[in-house]
Amino acid sequence: IAGITQAPTSQILAAGRRMTLRCTQDMRHNAMYWYRQDLGLGLRLIHYSNTAGTTGKGEVPDGYSVSRANTDDFPLTLASAVPSQTSVYFCASGTDDNSPLHFGNGTRLTVT
Amino acid sequence: GQNIDQPTEMTATEGAIVQINCTYQTSGFNGLFWYQQHAGEAPTFLSYNVLDGLEEKGRFSSFLSRSKGYSYLLLKELQMKDSASYLCAVRDSNYQLIWGAGTKLIIKP
Repeated sequence: IAGITQAPTSQILAAGRRMTLRCTQDMRHNAMYWYRQDLGLGLRLIHYSNTAGTTGKGEVPDGYSVSRANTDDFPLTLASAVPSQTSVYFCASGTDDNSPLHFGNGTRLTVT
Repeated sequence: GQNIDQPTEMTATEGAIVQINCTYQTSGFNGLFWYQQHAGEAPTFLSYNVLDGLEEKGRFSSFLSRSKGYSYLLLKELQMKDSASYLCAVRDSNYQLIWGAGTKLIIKP
């Protein structure tokens, strides 16, 4: 089934630990995005990639890094997790500027 | 700054009609999207407006007025499964999506 797969579904992480959230899509979309969603706030863009080999910073990039080695994969890494990074993380992909985004099912991350 | 405003929560009755408003102030405009998000799930695309007017898609319609910085999502013949959050998002001049915080819609029998 075509779509976006995120892993893990949920995770409890001790502060200071390193964590990589995985995102894979099989729709051959050029653009991919990482968002965090917190109660009472809109989706906030962390990092994005318009095409394989390129990445860019979004609204809230501090504490996060990404890579885009190929079209399908767009992992998000927290180098040293802090409690304020407790959130639900969504990966999304899209084709062109007028097309809607397709979202993965999210990763619920709790940093203790 | 850029801002999108939506009501935090709305309540409606099954079978009725509800209108969810969205006002925006962004640096440029390149389209407005509405998404539906059920609790604990991913957002899913509902509608897209780039020109003024009404776009109808089954029970759901979306309206846009660019001069007023205003859109609404109209849901007709409400069903219990329509209980969800509805997210408004605008593409700005840099083609970045700016998201509203979402409107939680509660449907009562």
